[in-house]
Amino acid sequence: DAKTTQPTSMDCAEGRAANLPCNHSTISGNEYVYWYRQIHSQGPQYIIHGLKNNETNEMASLIITEDRKSSTLILPHATLRDTAVYYCIAVGSQGNLIFGKGTKLSVKP
Amino acid sequence: NAGVTQTPKFQVLKTGQSMTLQCAQDMNHNSMYWYRQDPGMGLRLIYYSASEGTTDKGEVPNGYNVSRLNKREFSLRLESAAPSQTSVYFCASSVGSNYGYTFGSGTRLTVV
Repeated sequence: DAKTTQPTSMDCAEGRAANLPCNHSTISGNEYVYWYRQIHSQGPQYIIHGLKNNETNEMASLIITEDRKSSTLILPHATLRDTAVYYCIAVGSQGNLIFGKGTKLSVKP
Repeated sequence: NAGVTQTPKFQVLKTGQSMTLQCAQDMNHNSMYWYRQDPGMGLRLIYYSASEGTTDKGEVPNGYNVSRLNKREFSLRLESAAPSQTSVYFCASSVGSNYGYTFGSGTRLTVV
């Protein structure tokens, strides 16, 4: 079973920051938090991952709480093309992704 | 710059027929994976291969077999297709544990 819980859906206005929360209160110390997204019925796309520290790349930022019980994916300036299902996944040493149902983000004009 | 290539993109099978879904990656990745996605659901892991020469079961392996033909190719076989195997199948590859996966564009399989 997925070790993460996410809201089923969220809306965001175009041009604003999209903040997607994820709870992972039961993950162990060596489990990374990964974020993927799936646009329509395409294959999932890797966004970002982290262990303890906050991370940033060209797509997004990942903020992980100090106790590692939750995290937030931030899309700084959401566009209509960011409308997708976003998956927060805890990955252990074996490295296999276990997907939940994710959050359906709708970016609206 | 192909990444992960899956063939075919679409397939319709009759119950009881067999077929093999092909997957190839050109990124020199060690690990490869097969997932299925049913409507409105997340992806579920069928089988994976952590490295060339090894394969292991995932969450939902029943009714499937896999072959890691070489480092590039990882095939998924349905020996006797059932309507419950109607799904979208995704192949993925990664350098290894704790590295991002690259997914293919999927094979849409319907079993009637």
